[in-house]
Amino acid sequence: AQSVTQLGSHVSVSEGALVLLRCNYSSSVPPYLFWYVQYPNQGLQLLLKYTTGATLVKGINGFEAEFKKSETSFHLTKPSAHMSDAAEYFCAVSDINDFGNEKLTFGTGTRLTIIP
Amino acid sequence: ETGVTQTPRHLVMGMTNKKSLKCEQHLGHNAMYWYKQSAKKPLELMFVYSLEERVENNSVPSRFSPECPNSSHLFLHLHTLQPEDSALYLCASSQSSPGRHNSPLHFGNGTRLTVT
Repeated sequence: AQSVTQLGSHVSVSEGALVLLRCNYSSSVPPYLFWYVQYPNQGLQLLLKYTTGATLVKGINGFEAEFKKSETSFHLTKPSAHMSDAAEYFCAVSDINDFGNEKLTFGTGTRLTIIP
Repeated sequence: ETGVTQTPRHLVMGMTNKKSLKCEQHLGHNAMYWYKQSAKKPLELMFVYSLEERVENNSVPSRFSPECPNSSHLFLHLHTLQPEDSALYLCASSQSSPGRHNSPLHFGNGTRLTVT
């Protein structure tokens, strides 16, 4: 069964500090992995995605994530936090079952607060 | 600017009212989705339409009734709702390819529904 676990429903970092948001997944087949960001009063916006190939993927706003198969992880990082990064972040996993149907599962989200 | 537009942004309705949520996508996608976002819960997939046919209905109560008249428009008709139905309802679209991963979801900004 497919699942996503985001460790820490709330993360606070100081402005300029490293941002690390954790995501672990389970999937019976090679997955596609995504990070979405949701700013207040808005829908979700794609931040970055991993499909195949290079395991380190870069996204918008200076974020990147590394797919580590051995750890079943897809953690999101940004070297230096900015006030505008305050938002909720969702990890998601997608795979194709034996019937050719895609299933997309979201994590419960991590709310990132930036301390001035 | 989002290619998926949802109206209204906010809706307050009594339990005996009938209302409809509207979603329109300008991205040329062939699949549209309704999600429910409640506090402290994962995003819940409600309905999926691919090529204007409903392909998924995740045990959603009959008081929610979707309609997809064409590939660009999606409605969610509401009647006799309960207070626990209060949530953010998100519409999304993607390009669907049978047996393959869909393109990433593009979300609208949602309708904040309050049932009194």
